[in-house]
Amino acid sequence: GAVVSQHPSRVICKSGTSVKIECRSLDFQATTMFWYRQFPKKSLMLMATSNEGSKATYEQGVEKDKFLINHASLTLSTLTVTSAHPEDSSFYICSARDSGLAGGRDIQYFGAGTRLSVL
Amino acid sequence: QKEVEQNSGPLSVPEGAIASLNCTYSDRGSQSFFWYRQYSGKSPELIMFIYSNGDKEDGRFTAQLNKASQYVSLLIRDSQPSDSATYLCAVTNAGNNRKLIWGLGTSLAVNP
Repeated sequence: GAVVSQHPSRVICKSGTSVKIECRSLDFQATTMFWYRQFPKKSLMLMATSNEGSKATYEQGVEKDKFLINHASLTLSTLTVTSAHPEDSSFYICSARDSGLAGGRDIQYFGAGTRLSVL
Repeated sequence: QKEVEQNSGPLSVPEGAIASLNCTYSDRGSQSFFWYRQYSGKSPELIMFIYSNGDKEDGRFTAQLNKASQYVSLLIRDSQPSDSATYLCAVTNAGNNRKLIWGLGTSLAVNP
C-alpha cells in the first residue's frame, strides 16, 4: 500500500523557535499534499493544500506567513511553523494524494503525524 | 451548514456483532467517498473507498453508497475490540481542488 512518511513524530521546543515538518510519499508521486491540524478530541482541520511547483492554497483563517509550505518535488512537502508559540501546540498531520491514480482517484494517504509542544 | 454529517456516538456493540455507521452529505456533485479509521492519538487510516452506487466489500468491511439519497454507510461484520476507534466519513467533488470534506466522526466501542 501507499506509504507516507512524516518526520519528526514529536517536537518539543521553546516559544519563538521555528519548527520544520517533512512529509514524503515513499512509493508514489504526489502532485498534491495536504496539511491538517487536530486538537485533542476535535475533528481534523485542513490548513492548506500544497501543490508541487506552485504556491500553497491556505484555508480561511490560516496565516500563510505563520505556516510556510514548500512543495519542491513530487514526493516532498514541508510545513514550517515560524516563531512557534504555545497556542500552536497541536497534532499536525500531512496527507498525499496519488497523482498516478493507482488504486483509485482522490485517495489521500496520511502520515503518522507530528505532535508539536511549544513551551 | 455541515456538508458531511455523522452521528457522533458513541456507538456501542458487543464483540462479534455488526456495527453500522452512517454518513450523509449535502453536495450532490460529490464523486468519491471514503471511510477512515482513527485511533486516539493517531492519524487517519484509509478503510474503504467507493465511487459508484451499491455495495463494496473488503474483508469484514462493506461500504454502501446511495447517491440518490446522499448517504454512504460502513458495515463492520464480526466486530472486534480492536475495531474500537473513531470512524471518519469524507467526500470529494469535482471542484474545490478535490479536497476531502470531513464528517466529525462516529466513535465506535466494541465491548468484549
